[in-house]
Amino acid sequence: DTEVTQTPKHLVMGMTNKKSLKCEQHMGHRAMYWYKQKAKKPPELMFVYSYEKLSINESVPSRFSPECPNSSLLNLHLHALQPEDSALYLCASSYSSSNEKLFFGSGTQLSVL
Amino acid sequence: DAKTTQPPSMDCAEGRAANLPCNHSTISGNEYVYWYRQIHSQGPQYIIHGLKNNETNEMASLIITEDRKSSTLILPHATLRDTAVYYCITNSGGSNYKLTFGKGTLLTVNP
Repeated sequence: DTEVTQTPKHLVMGMTNKKSLKCEQHMGHRAMYWYKQKAKKPPELMFVYSYEKLSINESVPSRFSPECPNSSLLNLHLHALQPEDSALYLCASSYSSSNEKLFFGSGTQLSVL
Repeated sequence: DAKTTQPPSMDCAEGRAANLPCNHSTISGNEYVYWYRQIHSQGPQYIIHGLKNNETNEMASLIITEDRKSSTLILPHATLRDTAVYYCITNSGGSNYKLTFGKGTLLTVNP
């Protein structure tokens, strides 16, 4: 199994809502990542988890809260988002945080109204 | 990490080789060159990487110049499904590895 699975594929939420994005991999990878991609722009790194611990936070606003319950799962909790947070959110994993080959999911397309 | 420069777009005829250039003139000795691609509405996909020597796998070939200041990704027989944005990235790896995407090249394969 070489897949990174993200759910849901699409999400529409209001600015007062709380929602979560989920990501799962069963490749035994110990590093997991969240990226944000606006339309017609390259992906931008948000967070990196290594061995279930947060190792990189790219100065992401606190309304985005990552969580790594175990080595196979990665969540992104969303609260009080703004319309400009509408984007494609991509999850990725790699064997370790020093490994160059990242496997990406297909993303969650988020719309904030 | 070194800055990379890629043409914003390229066209290629189906069945022909697609040669995608990347300039990384400030690359340092321990930085690798990676290529990823992103097909519309999908996540990026790893293609290939290299340090000094040319590399080939089932997807593509990577040619790195001797001075390592530029490289070329070669798709030997492009198909319509190869239409995507191709990203050239340099990174030294190591702990807390960060993959930083530039603007990439939109390759359009035409029938």
